[in-house]
Amino acid sequence: QVQLQESGPRQVRPSETLSLTCTVSGGSISTYFWTWIRQPPGKGLEWIGYIFDSGRTNYNPSLKSRVSMSVDLSRNEFSLSLSSVTAADTAVYYCAKEMGLWGQGTLVTVSS
Amino acid sequence: DIQMTQSPSSLSASVGDRVTITCRASQGIRKDFSWYQQRPGKAPKRLIYAASILQSGVPSRFSGSGSGTEFTLTISSLQPEDFATYYCLQHNDFPWTFGQGTKVEVK
Repeated sequence: QVQLQESGPRQVRPSETLSLTCTVSGGSISTYFWTWIRQPPGKGLEWIGYIFDSGRTNYNPSLKSRVSMSVDLSRNEFSLSLSSVTAADTAVYYCAKEMGLWGQGTLVTVSS
Repeated sequence: DIQMTQSPSSLSASVGDRVTITCRASQGIRKDFSWYQQRPGKAPKRLIYAASILQSGVPSRFSGSGSGTEFTLTISSLQPEDFATYYCLQHNDFPWTFGQGTKVEVK
């Protein structure tokens, strides 16, 4: 059974880069597309973007200038980078297989 | 961006009640649409995709309908584990967008 697990720093300083990795277990990362979604505390969901196993990406225009995704087929994982973060980027970040199976999420706080 | 408007934003109901949640899209999205359930402190879980197809393992008391701009999630007989927040999602056009959520609370 496929499972996804987010990992990375739980606190990031303002103006720095948030970096998260999603490790996929129980199945191959090939063939599908892989998504990042976030949810500020107490608020709704925001789609950040997706990446295919080929490396093709599509990002939310609201974040496009700051976001980058990559995939590592050999490690069966994919990653998110969000640059120049502010307090508004504080959120639970989720990774997902397409939009059907989600990781448990990780809270990232932007604070000095 | 396509705006997804859920109604109501919250509702109070009792175990056994029939519950209906609506999501309206600001433009037609065919059936490129899903419903999610989120329990407190947990990740969202997809219930319905393609507007009306039940995700594997989801109880049959959940059903979805609609196409174009109006969609409905129905819970035929509310169970204790169904008290949660429900979100709709459109993936017809970029950026993909969620509704603001509907919180189902105990009456």
